[in-house]
Amino acid sequence: QSALTQPASVSGSPGQSITISCTGTSSDVATYDYVSWYQLHPGKAPKLMIYDVSNRPSGVSDRFSGSKSGDTASLTISGLQAEDEADYYCSSYTTTTTLVLFGGGTKLTVL
Amino acid sequence: QLQLQESGPGLVKPSETLSLTCTVSGGSISSNSFYWGWIRQPPGKGLEWIGSMSYSGKTYYTLSLKSRVTISVDTSKNQFSLKLSSVTAADTAVYYCARHKIWGNFYPNWFDPWGQGTLVTVSS
Repeated sequence: QSALTQPASVSGSPGQSITISCTGTSSDVATYDYVSWYQLHPGKAPKLMIYDVSNRPSGVSDRFSGSKSGDTASLTISGLQAEDEADYYCSSYTTTTTLVLFGGGTKLTVL
Repeated sequence: QLQLQESGPGLVKPSETLSLTCTVSGGSISSNSFYWGWIRQPPGKGLEWIGSMSYSGKTYYTLSLKSRVTISVDTSKNQFSLKLSSVTAADTAVYYCARHKIWGNFYPNWFDPWGQGTLVTVSS
């Protein structure tokens, strides 16, 4: 099965808000709330930012929030900071034989 | 604080078997609430889940790799391992290990924490 669909890139200026979308199907995002988001910085361990669509793990800034509408999940980052510049991936359970799907990734640039 | 660290050869020849180990520190691998998983990222591409295993030995693999993958757990060493057979250049990737939250029978959820990843190159 194809990956979840994310925009290849998004950008924003410090202090602004941005939203990254993650579009799936009825086999995954539309039906299940097992959507998570990860932040990848080069050379560092990936970091869980959001789980179960909208829950923030302990230690993650409240500038990060998640939501879902229909077959599309979204990650919103408010008050952009330079340190937020990274790649972001969504993930979801899927009923297909793939079982776990990731999005294609979105590169966030802080201008 | 739970930490994971991947280890293994950085270069594997085509047709051979890729073998990696993930060492878990700061906590026990013997947890009923979690599986232990492997994810990879080919250069310039996105993340791909390979498979996950419980400490009791129950495993789930993505179908496209299932015929070539074996994940095993050594609770005495607090480690779990990945073997991928008959590798080709397409298996060149950064390989990550991670703790995998599972609900119920097998409703895979989030991965946390992750190791830093290790680059494995398949080349003669």
